Amino acid sequence: EAQVTQNPRYLITVTGKKLTVTCSQNMNHEYMSWYRQDPGLGLRQIYYSMNVEVTDKGDVPEGYKVSRKEKRNFPLILESPSPNQTSLYFCASILQGTDTQYFGPGTRLTVL
Amino acid sequence: GDSVTQMEGPVTLSEEAFLTINCTYTATGYPSLFWYVQYPGEGLQLLLKATKADDKGSNKGFEATYRKETTSFHLEKGSVQVSDSAVYFCALRAHFGNEKLTFGTGTRLTIIP
Repeated sequence: EAQVTQNPRYLITVTGKKLTVTCSQNMNHEYMSWYRQDPGLGLRQIYYSMNVEVTDKGDVPEGYKVSRKEKRNFPLILESPSPNQTSLYFCASILQGTDTQYFGPGTRLTVL
Repeated sequence: GDSVTQMEGPVTLSEEAFLTINCTYTATGYPSLFWYVQYPGEGLQLLLKATKADDKGSNKGFEATYRKETTSFHLEKGSVQVSDSAVYFCALRAHFGNEKLTFGTGTRLTIIP
């Protein structure tokens, strides 16, 4: 089954404690991205990657890092989380040249 | 920059009612337009799309027409069901080859039996 998986689905942490949210897709898609969803703001892109070892900032990259060492994986790293990073995070992937983005189930992060 | 303005929610309708969720956009050039749906506890799924002016996207009884003259892409369904309860997002892709989606704020739809 074609899918994007994310782990963990729920995470509660404290300010400053480094964390990683994993994302993996099994569709051999080149393009992957991370979005955060906040009430009243919709989804905003954090980072994206057009292929292995190629990453770039989206609209709200501050406080986040990513890496793309393998085509299927695109982890989101919060080196020093802060309460304003409390949000619902989605990973997405797409085969370039097509129209359908596939989204993961989401990770709800709470930073205390 | 590009933006999407979406009808504020939440929207509550009775089963079999007619649904319209308004969406307008601002973009240079010729964007592609999408409606995504998010069911409770799940990620977003593509509901329908239109890639050029006057195209009509349709799926599961939902329709939306790409109106360049009014920069709109309103979502409609003639008779909603309880199973249509979800959050609906209008989105645009600025141009082909740029995969970033710009989203509206989302509209929560609740259908009551």
